[in-house]
Amino acid sequence: AQSVAQPEDQVKVAEGNPLTVKCTYSVSGNPYLFWYVQYPNRGLQFLLKYITGDNLVKGSYGFEAEFNKSQTSFHLKKPSALVSDSALYFCAVMLDSNYQLIWGAGTKLIIKP
Amino acid sequence: DAGVTQSPTHLIKTRGQHVTLRCSPISGHKSVSWYQQVLGQGPQFIFQYYEKEERGRGNFPDRFSARQFPNYSSELNVNALLLGDSALYLCASSEQPLSNQPQHFGDGTRLSIL
Repeated sequence: AQSVAQPEDQVKVAEGNPLTVKCTYSVSGNPYLFWYVQYPNRGLQFLLKYITGDNLVKGSYGFEAEFNKSQTSFHLKKPSALVSDSALYFCAVMLDSNYQLIWGAGTKLIIKP
Repeated sequence: DAGVTQSPTHLIKTRGQHVTLRCSPISGHKSVSWYQQVLGQGPQFIFQYYEKEERGRGNFPDRFSARQFPNYSSELNVNALLLGDSALYLCASSEQPLSNQPQHFGDGTRLSIL
């Protein structure tokens, strides 16, 4: 079965420290990979995507993510966390067979001042 | 430019009733998708519409239906509401369906079933 895993329900990081939010996937074919962020009572905002090419992709608000095909992972990173980064982060995988998105369960990121 | 707009923002219904949720896509976007997000979970795909035709359907019962209008806006209808239908319903638009371009989401309709 196709699936996306975000193994951490919650990640806590001190402001100014680097952060990583993990995502692994199990799908057939060549996936397209996305990260979205959700603030309370809001919809999902697109952060970045990997389609092809350079394994390190840069996105909005200083976030970046690294695609690792051998480990089937697409971890989200930021060198220096801000309190305003506190939100719910979702990893999603798009199947190249039908272009439908499969979502992880989300990781709550808490940045402590 | 306006983003994806959804109405109403909140809705309270009782079991057995039906509900209609509305979505207006970003100007120029012709594809609309609907998702259900239960608290503590990621979104689950319900439907995708493009040019007034259904282009994709998730694993939801026939109580769920949708349509798209000539102006590309869309409605999601749910009949015979169950307690388990309580969720945030998200609409997303994109320029084309069946594309690896990111979808743009509205803020959702929070549906509560009593």
